[in-house]
Amino acid sequence: AQTVTQSQPEMSVQEAETVTLSCTYDTSENNYYLFWYKQPPSRQMILVIRQEAYKQQNATENRFSVNFQKAAKSFSLKISDSQLGDTAMYFCAFMKAFGNEKLTFGTGTRLTIIP
Amino acid sequence: DGGITQSPKYLFRKEGQNVTLSCEQNLNHDAMYWYRQDPGQGLRLIYYSQIVNDFQKGDIAEGYSVSREKKESFPLTVTSAQKNPTAFYLCASSIRTGASSGANVLTFGAGSRLTVL
Repeated sequence: AQTVTQSQPEMSVQEAETVTLSCTYDTSENNYYLFWYKQPPSRQMILVIRQEAYKQQNATENRFSVNFQKAAKSFSLKISDSQLGDTAMYFCAFMKAFGNEKLTFGTGTRLTIIP
Repeated sequence: DGGITQSPKYLFRKEGQNVTLSCEQNLNHDAMYWYRQDPGQGLRLIYYSQIVNDFQKGDIAEGYSVSREKKESFPLTVTSAQKNPTAFYLCASSIRTGASSGANVLTFGAGSRLTVL
């Protein structure tokens, strides 16, 4: 079974600064996907970024980028130039590439952007 | 606009009652999922379905039941056997693997908050 660990329950950062959220996972699979989802106070889950394990290049989406270290089973999210609208719960998640397509989530990191 | 609709947004249940949460999607997605969210525990998978008339138990299926009679619909029933049903419930859907570049990305509904009185 796959497990996803987020070791930072809460973080805060000043507006415009950069913050990195940590995520580690455990799996015996070689092909899989990793995700970061954002859940703002509205509780709507929003996809932030997606990484395919077979791609060595780290995914980026505007101010959001990941540091994917496959050997270390690490998948951190970096938010640059943080904005007040980034305040949310952030969940790291894992999905096998083939077979049962279940998404396994970590317990989340509550990020607060301070004005 | 395409999306996932969950209803009701808020639901109150007396102990011993069954309740059904609705989830409808018009995204033409094959797979649908139900997750439960409790504080400090992230999202836990209850049931999922990859095709019509077929579904599998997730990690916490006890006390819940589902059906998948139509591609667009995946209702969740919280039965009286569920010991602690008060939680936030999220429905999601996705295109199956390999269908497109969006494959494996889950799209979520706005959620339903169930409170047992």
